[in-house]
Amino acid sequence: KNQVEQSPQSLIILEGKNCTLQCNYTVSPFSNLRWYKQDTGRGPVSLTIMTFSENTKSNGRYTATLDADTKQSSLHITASQLSDSASYICVVSARAGKSTFGDGTTLTVKP
Amino acid sequence: DTAVSQTPKYLVTQMGNDKSIKCEQNLGHDTMYWYKQDSKKFLKIMFSYNNKELIINETVPNRFSPKSPDKAHLNLHINSLELGDSAVYFCASSQDLWGRTEAFFGQGTRLTVV
Repeated sequence: KNQVEQSPQSLIILEGKNCTLQCNYTVSPFSNLRWYKQDTGRGPVSLTIMTFSENTKSNGRYTATLDADTKQSSLHITASQLSDSASYICVVSARAGKSTFGDGTTLTVKP
Repeated sequence: DTAVSQTPKYLVTQMGNDKSIKCEQNLGHDTMYWYKQDSKKFLKIMFSYNNKELIINETVPNRFSPKSPDKAHLNLHINSLELGDSAVYFCASSQDLWGRTEAFFGQGTRLTVV
């Protein structure tokens, strides 16, 4: 069964600090992995997408990594801001198959 | 210019009622989805439509009936509402059915059944 597990479930950090969110998956055959950011009261918005051949991809202060061998991805947030407070959802798609959503990590950035 | 729009944004109704949520996308996408996000904020797919054709139906009670009059619209009708139906419902669209392209989400409809 295709599964996506995210950790931690929630995280509180101080403004300006860095943090890393984890995503482990068992989806096979792998097509791509996407990180979404969901602000409170809004729909999810895509941050990055990674395919099999990509190890690292950045979007501003967000950097995603992918290890297709160990089936792990991470999302690193640098110099966090209050506006980074949100849920971060990892979504893994199988080739010619549907997408599997992780349960998300809730990040709170405090001043 | 809103890409994926849902109406209404909030919906409060009594148990047993029938209600509809409307969704429209102006992105020219072929695929549209309905997701349910429960109180624990877990996002689960309910349905996906590709070119007005039902592709995925994820063991959703048949009280939920999606309708796609054209590629740009996917409405969700719910009969005999139950307390457990309270959640936020998100509509989304993408060019590709299998996640190879980004899904764009609406702002959500918060349904409260009392």
